[in-house]
Amino acid sequence: DAKTTQPPSMDCAEGRAANLPCNHSTISGNEYVYWYRQIHSQGPQYIIHGLKNNETNEMASLIITEDRKSSTLILPHATLRDTAVYYCIVRVQASGTYKYIFGTGTRLKVLA
Amino acid sequence: GAGVSQTPSNKVTEKGKYVELRCDPISGHTALYWYRQSLGQGPEFLIYFQGTGAADDSGLPNDRFFAVRPEGSVSTLKIQRTERGDSAVYLCASSREGRAGELFFGEGSRLTVL
Repeated sequence: DAKTTQPPSMDCAEGRAANLPCNHSTISGNEYVYWYRQIHSQGPQYIIHGLKNNETNEMASLIITEDRKSSTLILPHATLRDTAVYYCIVRVQASGTYKYIFGTGTRLKVLA
Repeated sequence: GAGVSQTPSNKVTEKGKYVELRCDPISGHTALYWYRQSLGQGPEFLIYFQGTGAADDSGLPNDRFFAVRPEGSVSTLKIQRTERGDSAVYLCASSREGRAGELFFGEGSRLTVL
Protein backbone atom coordinates (compact mmCIF):
# COMPACT_ATOMS: atom_id res chain seq x y z
CA ASP A 1 0.00 0.00 0.00
CA ALA A 2 1.09 3.54 -0.76
CA LYS A 3 2.58 5.39 2.18
CA THR A 4 1.57 8.79 0.80
CA THR A 5 -1.66 10.72 0.37
CA GLN A 6 -2.13 13.56 -2.10
CA PRO A 7 -5.08 15.67 -3.25
CA PRO A 8 -6.50 14.17 -6.44
CA SER A 9 -6.35 17.39 -8.46
CA MET A 10 -5.20 21.00 -8.45
CA ASP A 11 -5.29 23.97 -10.80
CA CYS A 12 -2.59 26.62 -11.11
CA ALA A 13 -2.39 29.76 -13.22
CA GLU A 14 0.42 29.90 -15.73
CA GLY A 15 3.43 31.79 -14.37
CA ARG A 16 2.41 31.30 -10.75
CA ALA A 17 3.99 28.92 -8.28
CA ALA A 18 2.40 25.49 -8.00
CA ASN A 19 2.55 24.03 -4.49
CA LEU A 20 1.73 20.33 -4.35
CA PRO A 21 1.30 18.85 -0.87
CA CYS A 22 1.93 15.30 0.25
CA ASN A 23 1.35 13.52 3.55
CA HIS A 24 3.60 10.63 4.57
CA SER A 25 2.94 10.35 8.28
CA THR A 26 4.22 6.75 8.58
CA ILE A 27 7.58 7.43 6.95
CA SER A 28 10.57 5.76 8.61
CA GLY A 29 13.89 7.42 9.38
CA ASN A 30 15.83 6.06 6.40
CA GLU A 31 13.08 6.37 3.80
CA TYR A 32 13.49 8.99 1.11
CA VAL A 33 10.70 11.09 -0.41
CA TYR A 34 10.68 11.15 -4.20
CA TRP A 35 8.60 13.13 -6.64
CA TYR A 36 7.85 12.02 -10.19
CA ARG A 37 5.50 13.35 -12.79
CA GLN A 38 3.76 11.66 -15.67
CA ILE A 39 2.64 13.46 -18.76
CA HIS A 40 -0.10 11.70 -20.69
CA SER A 41 1.02 8.48 -22.38
CA GLN A 42 4.63 8.79 -21.24
CA GLY A 43 6.62 7.02 -18.55
CA PRO A 44 7.05 8.78 -15.19
CA GLN A 45 9.81 11.38 -15.07
CA TYR A 46 11.99 12.02 -12.02
CA ILE A 47 11.74 15.50 -10.50
CA ILE A 48 13.50 15.58 -7.15
CA HIS A 49 14.08 13.63 -3.94
CA GLY A 50 15.11 14.29 -0.35
CA LEU A 51 15.56 12.73 3.06
CA LYS A 52 15.15 15.53 5.59
CA ASN A 53 16.73 18.69 4.20
CA ASN A 54 15.01 20.94 1.70
CA GLU A 55 16.22 20.38 -1.84
CA THR A 56 16.24 22.47 -5.01
CA ASN A 57 17.16 21.70 -8.58
CA GLU A 58 16.47 23.21 -11.98
CA MET A 59 12.96 21.78 -12.05
CA ALA A 60 11.57 22.29 -8.57
CA SER A 61 12.04 22.70 -4.84
CA LEU A 62 11.17 20.15 -2.20
CA ILE A 63 10.23 21.30 1.29
CA ILE A 64 10.13 18.58 3.94
CA THR A 65 8.70 19.35 7.38
CA GLU A 66 10.95 18.91 10.37
CA ASP A 67 8.99 15.87 11.58
CA ARG A 68 9.16 14.47 7.99
CA LYS A 69 5.45 13.65 8.02
CA SER A 70 4.69 15.83 5.04
CA SER A 71 6.34 17.60 2.15
CA THR A 72 5.55 20.11 -0.58
CA LEU A 73 6.77 20.17 -4.14
CA ILE A 74 7.08 23.68 -5.52
CA LEU A 75 7.18 24.48 -9.21
CA PRO A 76 8.22 28.14 -9.02
CA HIS A 77 6.80 29.38 -12.34
CA ALA A 78 4.34 26.88 -13.73
CA THR A 79 3.97 26.60 -17.51
CA LEU A 80 1.36 24.82 -19.61
CA ARG A 81 3.87 22.01 -20.16
CA ASP A 82 3.84 21.31 -16.42
CA THR A 83 0.31 19.93 -16.73
CA ALA A 84 0.72 16.33 -15.58
CA VAL A 85 0.04 13.86 -12.78
CA TYR A 86 2.50 14.37 -9.93
CA TYR A 87 3.38 11.44 -7.70
CA CYS A 88 4.83 11.69 -4.23
CA ILE A 89 6.58 8.45 -3.33
CA VAL A 90 8.25 7.05 -0.26
CA ARG A 91 11.05 4.69 -1.15
CA VAL A 92 10.67 1.71 1.16
CA GLN A 93 13.80 -0.13 2.18
CA ALA A 94 13.73 -3.71 3.45
CA SER A 95 16.49 -6.33 3.62
CA GLY A 96 18.72 -4.34 1.31
CA THR A 97 16.08 -3.92 -1.36
CA TYR A 98 14.38 -0.71 -2.39
CA LYS A 99 10.77 -0.39 -3.50
CA TYR A 100 9.12 2.73 -4.87
CA ILE A 101 5.43 2.67 -4.04
CA PHE A 102 3.25 5.01 -6.09
CA GLY A 103 -0.10 6.34 -4.94
CA THR A 104 -2.74 7.83 -7.20
CA GLY A 105 -1.00 11.23 -7.47
CA THR A 106 -2.23 14.78 -7.99
CA ARG A 107 -3.46 15.81 -11.41
CA LEU A 108 -2.12 19.34 -11.91
CA LYS A 109 -3.70 21.46 -14.58
CA VAL A 110 -1.89 24.68 -15.47
CA LEU A 111 -4.32 27.24 -16.84
CA ALA A 112 -3.47 29.90 -19.41
CA GLY B 1 19.14 6.38 -27.52
CA ALA B 2 20.52 6.00 -24.01
CA GLY B 3 17.20 5.61 -22.23
CA VAL B 4 15.20 2.58 -21.09
CA SER B 5 13.76 0.83 -24.12
CA GLN B 6 10.60 -1.29 -24.02
CA THR B 7 9.19 -3.48 -26.76
CA PRO B 8 6.63 -3.86 -28.10
CA SER B 9 5.09 -0.46 -27.51
CA ASN B 10 1.66 -1.95 -28.20
CA LYS B 11 0.48 -5.53 -28.02
CA VAL B 12 -3.00 -6.79 -28.73
CA THR B 13 -3.69 -10.42 -27.92
CA GLU B 14 -6.57 -12.77 -27.30
CA LYS B 15 -7.62 -14.13 -23.95
CA GLY B 16 -5.67 -17.24 -23.07
CA LYS B 17 -2.59 -16.42 -25.13
CA TYR B 18 1.02 -16.10 -23.90
CA VAL B 19 2.76 -12.71 -24.00
CA GLU B 20 6.34 -11.55 -23.53
CA LEU B 21 7.29 -7.94 -22.88
CA ARG B 22 10.91 -6.86 -23.11
CA CYS B 23 12.86 -4.20 -21.25
CA ASP B 24 16.33 -2.99 -22.19
CA PRO B 25 17.64 -0.89 -19.28
CA ILE B 26 20.24 1.84 -19.36
CA SER B 27 23.69 0.33 -19.69
CA GLY B 28 25.32 -0.25 -16.32
CA HIS B 29 22.13 -0.02 -14.30
CA THR B 30 22.01 -2.96 -11.92
CA ALA B 31 18.51 -2.37 -10.52
CA LEU B 32 15.48 -3.03 -12.73
CA TYR B 33 11.80 -2.66 -11.85
CA TRP B 34 8.56 -3.70 -13.53
CA TYR B 35 5.34 -1.81 -12.83
CA ARG B 36 1.79 -2.13 -14.16
CA GLN B 37 -0.43 0.88 -14.68
CA SER B 38 -4.16 0.70 -15.24
CA LEU B 39 -6.16 3.62 -16.57
CA GLY B 40 -6.43 6.43 -14.03
CA GLN B 41 -4.19 4.69 -11.50
CA GLY B 42 -0.62 5.15 -10.38
CA PRO B 43 2.00 2.59 -11.36
CA GLU B 44 1.69 -0.63 -9.33
CA PHE B 45 4.91 -2.39 -8.32
CA LEU B 46 5.37 -5.90 -9.72
CA ILE B 47 8.99 -7.02 -9.31
CA TYR B 48 12.47 -5.70 -8.64
CA PHE B 49 15.76 -7.18 -9.87
CA GLN B 50 19.17 -6.46 -8.44
CA GLY B 51 21.52 -7.91 -11.04
CA THR B 52 20.22 -11.26 -12.27
CA GLY B 53 18.14 -12.14 -9.23
CA ALA B 54 14.62 -11.08 -8.32
CA ALA B 55 15.17 -9.29 -5.01
CA ASP B 56 11.46 -8.65 -4.50
CA ASP B 57 8.66 -10.25 -6.52
CA SER B 58 5.91 -9.53 -4.00
CA GLY B 59 3.92 -7.46 -6.49
CA LEU B 60 3.37 -10.19 -9.06
CA PRO B 61 -0.40 -10.76 -8.93
CA ASN B 62 -0.38 -14.54 -9.45
CA ASP B 63 1.64 -17.39 -10.91
CA ARG B 64 0.67 -16.50 -14.48
CA PHE B 65 3.20 -13.68 -14.24
CA PHE B 66 6.92 -14.34 -14.35
CA ALA B 67 9.98 -12.22 -15.10
CA VAL B 68 13.59 -13.05 -15.86
CA ARG B 69 16.84 -11.17 -16.23
CA PRO B 70 19.34 -13.92 -17.09
CA GLU B 71 22.42 -11.79 -17.77
CA GLY B 72 21.68 -8.87 -15.49
CA SER B 73 20.72 -6.56 -18.32
CA VAL B 74 17.66 -7.17 -20.52
CA SER B 75 14.56 -8.37 -18.70
CA THR B 76 11.48 -10.13 -20.01
CA LEU B 77 8.08 -10.09 -18.33
CA LYS B 78 6.10 -13.17 -19.24
CA ILE B 79 2.34 -13.52 -18.87
CA GLN B 80 0.70 -16.89 -19.40
CA ARG B 81 -2.98 -17.53 -20.17
CA THR B 82 -3.71 -13.82 -20.44
CA GLU B 83 -6.99 -12.48 -19.10
CA ARG B 84 -8.86 -9.30 -19.98
CA GLY B 85 -7.93 -7.89 -16.57
CA ASP B 86 -4.27 -8.02 -17.55
CA SER B 87 -4.85 -5.16 -19.97
CA ALA B 88 -2.68 -2.27 -18.81
CA VAL B 89 0.51 -0.37 -19.55
CA TYR B 90 3.54 -2.28 -18.30
CA LEU B 91 6.36 0.04 -17.30
CA CYS B 92 10.00 -0.82 -16.81
CA ALA B 93 12.49 1.32 -14.88
CA SER B 94 16.17 1.03 -14.07
CA SER B 95 18.63 2.71 -11.74
CA ARG B 96 22.33 2.56 -11.00
CA GLU B 97 21.95 0.95 -7.61
CA GLY B 98 19.78 1.14 -4.60
CA ARG B 99 21.19 4.01 -2.60
CA ALA B 100 19.00 7.08 -3.24
CA GLY B 101 19.11 6.33 -6.92
CA GLU B 102 16.86 7.96 -9.48
CA LEU B 103 14.57 5.64 -11.44
CA PHE B 104 14.58 6.04 -15.20
CA PHE B 105 11.37 4.82 -16.81
CA GLY B 106 10.70 3.55 -20.28
CA GLU B 107 7.66 4.59 -22.29
CA GLY B 108 5.85 1.38 -21.44
CA SER B 109 4.24 -1.50 -23.31
CA ARG B 110 0.48 -1.18 -23.70
CA LEU B 111 -1.12 -4.62 -23.49
CA THR B 112 -4.69 -5.14 -24.62
CA VAL B 113 -6.30 -8.53 -24.06
CA LEU B 114 -9.45 -9.05 -26.10
